Amino acid sequence: GIQVEQSPPDLILQEGANSTLRCNFSDSVNNLQWFHQNPWGQLINLFYIPSGTKQNGRLSATTVATERYSLLYISSSQTTDSGVYFCATPNNDMRFGAGTRLTVKP
Amino acid sequence: NAGVMQNPRHLVRRRGQEARLRCSPMKGHSHVYWYRQLPEEGLKFMVYLQKENIIDESGMPKERFSAEFPKEGPSILRIQQVVRGDSAAYFCASSTFGAPSYNEQFFGPGTRLTVL
Repeated sequence: GIQVEQSPPDLILQEGANSTLRCNFSDSVNNLQWFHQNPWGQLINLFYIPSGTKQNGRLSATTVATERYSLLYISSSQTTDSGVYFCATPNNDMRFGAGTRLTVKP
Repeated sequence: NAGVMQNPRHLVRRRGQEARLRCSPMKGHSHVYWYRQLPEEGLKFMVYLQKENIIDESGMPKERFSAEFPKEGPSILRIQQVVRGDSAAYFCASSTFGAPSYNEQFFGPGTRLTVL
């Protein structure tokens, strides 16, 4: 099956900083999702992005399907951005990466 | 428009008891997926169902675990004779379409199972 790798595994930022999270996948995929799991455990859909670029406020994502990676950009980070960010490939058996744990310090 | 609903949110069972987890998909969604998340880990796929059919159960342990999605009512994940290793968060997701045109999945709040 498809392998999904995320980097970095951990990231600590000062409030206001920008960051880029990366998701690599081992085979071509038709779809890709980014999620934020907040400190209370809830999974929040960020982007459904099989290809191209999407933006939503301070967050944006780019998927380059031909090169098998996706990037999540967080600008002007806030403490409420803390949590774990997952990418995943929607399919019969959606494969999740191990996640990037983001801590934003005030 | 209500999202994916799961209940109970927290469930405590003693070893050997049965656990029943329920999931009601979003309105208009007929595809349901169950995932398990162990502490400090990512989510692992368990099973994919449509109404009255199991489409893919490749991620579900062969023994003690079963899932259904009846014509009426929520999807049920059932764990018989629970063991401490079953302690985890169990998430349900739903989508409008499944195979072969997989589209966006939306997740419920999860059920946190603790086995004493």
